[in-house]
Amino acid sequence: KNEVEQSPQNLTAQEGEFITINCSYSVGISALHWLQQHPGGGIVSLFMLSSGKKKHGRLIATINIQEKHSSLHITASHPRDSAVYICAVLGSNYKLTFGKGTLLTVNP
Amino acid sequence: DSGVTQTPKHLITATGQRVTLRCSPRSGDLSVYWYQQSLDQGLQFLIQYYNGEERAKGNILERFSAQQFPDLHSELNLSSLELGDSALYFCASSVGGLAGGPLGETQYFGPGTRLLVL
Repeated sequence: KNEVEQSPQNLTAQEGEFITINCSYSVGISALHWLQQHPGGGIVSLFMLSSGKKKHGRLIATINIQEKHSSLHITASHPRDSAVYICAVLGSNYKLTFGKGTLLTVNP
Repeated sequence: DSGVTQTPKHLITATGQRVTLRCSPRSGDLSVYWYQQSLDQGLQFLIQYYNGEERAKGNILERFSAQQFPDLHSELNLSSLELGDSALYFCASSVGGLAGGPLGETQYFGPGTRLLVL
């Protein structure tokens, strides 16, 4: 079992839908990141979380440390949100582990 | 544009060869990170440098080495290349690095170098 599990692996939505991507991890962490990778390959860091909730525009990230779970939500999804979303955790021993990513396709 | 530059964008070479990938961090950033992304392994953290010194090490092979120069640019050297080294290599930078190693603070990623080993 991977230390970082993302679900779903693939997600197809219609423009305007509310999107949720989940990340579960099995180790103690000091930080969790959500990254976005566009079809061209470029990576953007969306959020860094160690507790609670963060919001940036239409994106919301939450983390529950006790349940070892984080979610990334996209409200009013748009075709330009189509990308791979990757969860990454920094363990308390500084070990860095990435999830395998969730491929999101938003159709117009 | 993240402000992080990587050269070259693409590199095609043969097994057994050696290549050098270059990264220039954002102005003012002291930390540089190297990542490898392959189809079978996904994203993997290789190594972090902070102000010229190695800060954290990940899954970096002994055939690979890196350094950060006084002007803060970094180079990743890959030697005795194998077919399995074909991947996208990303560099990222962040302001500090004292906060706790890789992903201890927000990182800005370069566009990557696509390496193909034939």
